[in-house]
Amino acid sequence: EADIYQTPRYLVIGTGKKITLECSQTMGHDKMYWYQQDPGMELHLIHYSYGVNSTEKGDLSSESTVSRIRTEHFPLTLESARPSHTSQYLCASSPPEWEGLLNEQFFGPGTRLTVL
Amino acid sequence: QKEVEQNSGPLSVPEGAIASLNCTYSDRGSQSFFWYRQYSGKSPELIMSIYSNGDKEDGRFTAQLNKASQYVSLLIRDSHPSDSATYLCAVSNFGNEKLTFGTGTRLTIIP
Repeated sequence: EADIYQTPRYLVIGTGKKITLECSQTMGHDKMYWYQQDPGMELHLIHYSYGVNSTEKGDLSSESTVSRIRTEHFPLTLESARPSHTSQYLCASSPPEWEGLLNEQFFGPGTRLTVL
Repeated sequence: QKEVEQNSGPLSVPEGAIASLNCTYSDRGSQSFFWYRQYSGKSPELIMSIYSNGDKEDGRFTAQLNKASQYVSLLIRDSHPSDSATYLCAVSNFGNEKLTFGTGTRLTIIP
């Protein structure tokens, strides 16, 4: 089982607040990802990172930002939360290719965000 | 045309029967194929990965890949009610470390 953690698991917050969703993994994976998923809907990639100091925007435009200062840590920040940000946010990580697991991604438990 | 297509279902299968889930993809350069299981309100869980044409078996699960026809399938034998979930197909290319996910097939196993 993948050791990838997300906190908080649930967050209810008011409009305009700044929030940071935490994601950590203890497997030394170099690649990490953030997805957004509404209930019953498909996954959308919003950010990814291939290593320290490397971050890229994903396929779905997002007002969030990410940072990757340490290999194990990939936090996502919303400077000013809005009701449209209400969703489930899923973090994933993937081992380097030399481990022979080609692009397998392992997901954390997710953070369910509600912005009032 | 979506890059990865799945029948959204719901697919209902009696307990003990074989559940068959299908996925087609548009990019012929795709090299890695994955099946994830997602229970309602939970995160996706990787259950199978396949990279070569043919079948790959793991317990009650068999993944089948046909690159010429650009489809990948998942068979679940001796299905249990606990197999009821949404099954996501995901595809990636060498050199592209992102996964492209399908919208998922909702599977219900009827006791």
